[in-house]
Amino acid sequence: SQELEQSPQSLIVQEGKNLTINCTSSKTLYGLYWYKQKYGEGLIFLMMLQKGGEEKSHEKITAKLDEKKQQSSLHITASQPSHAGIYLCGADIVGSNTGKLIFGQGTTLQVKP
Amino acid sequence: GAVVSQHPSWVICKSGTSVKIECRSLDFQATTMFWYRQFPKQSLMLMATSNEGSKATYEQGVEKDKFLINHASLTLSTLTVTSAHPEDSSFYICSARAQFRGGTDTQYFGPGTRLTVL
Repeated sequence: SQELEQSPQSLIVQEGKNLTINCTSSKTLYGLYWYKQKYGEGLIFLMMLQKGGEEKSHEKITAKLDEKKQQSSLHITASQPSHAGIYLCGADIVGSNTGKLIFGQGTTLQVKP
Repeated sequence: GAVVSQHPSWVICKSGTSVKIECRSLDFQATTMFWYRQFPKQSLMLMATSNEGSKATYEQGVEKDKFLINHASLTLSTLTVTSAHPEDSSFYICSARAQFRGGTDTQYFGPGTRLTVL
């Protein structure tokens, strides 16, 4: 079983619609990272969350961390075709300042114009 | 933002040969870099942690003699796939850990290297 579960696995939305991607950990979260990847390319850093209740926004993307539920959500407002790609959450579940991350299986987003 | 490069971006080699992949942090120093492997339509799997000035630490199941890692400087780590076989074909991605003042600790990823072993 996955230590970090993302849902949904894939998503198709109409341009302009809002959407949410969830990331749930089976272990304590010491840090939660969101990245975007285009197939066959590297990962683009979006946001990092560390503290319970923390919320960060960048342009139309907002991420929140619920430390108690060991869960994070990524919300995109008024989606655009440029938002299409694979969204990956990465988590530090080790702590101890190792920097090691495990990743969810990814959520593939398609935005229809 | 912090930039990490990888070279080459893709490589095709014959079975039995060795391939070296470089990972560089271009505008910051990274005492720690990580090497991941990604299979098609799957997530990233951490292979090893590359530490500047010391030996790499490998995840369970990853052969250290097969995947040689050298962290030569604060901006360069190399992964050498020795005696490559078709099952080593994959997408290899590195990340560099950036620890800035104020406690920000973030990993920035390279663009990846596609290895195909014939």
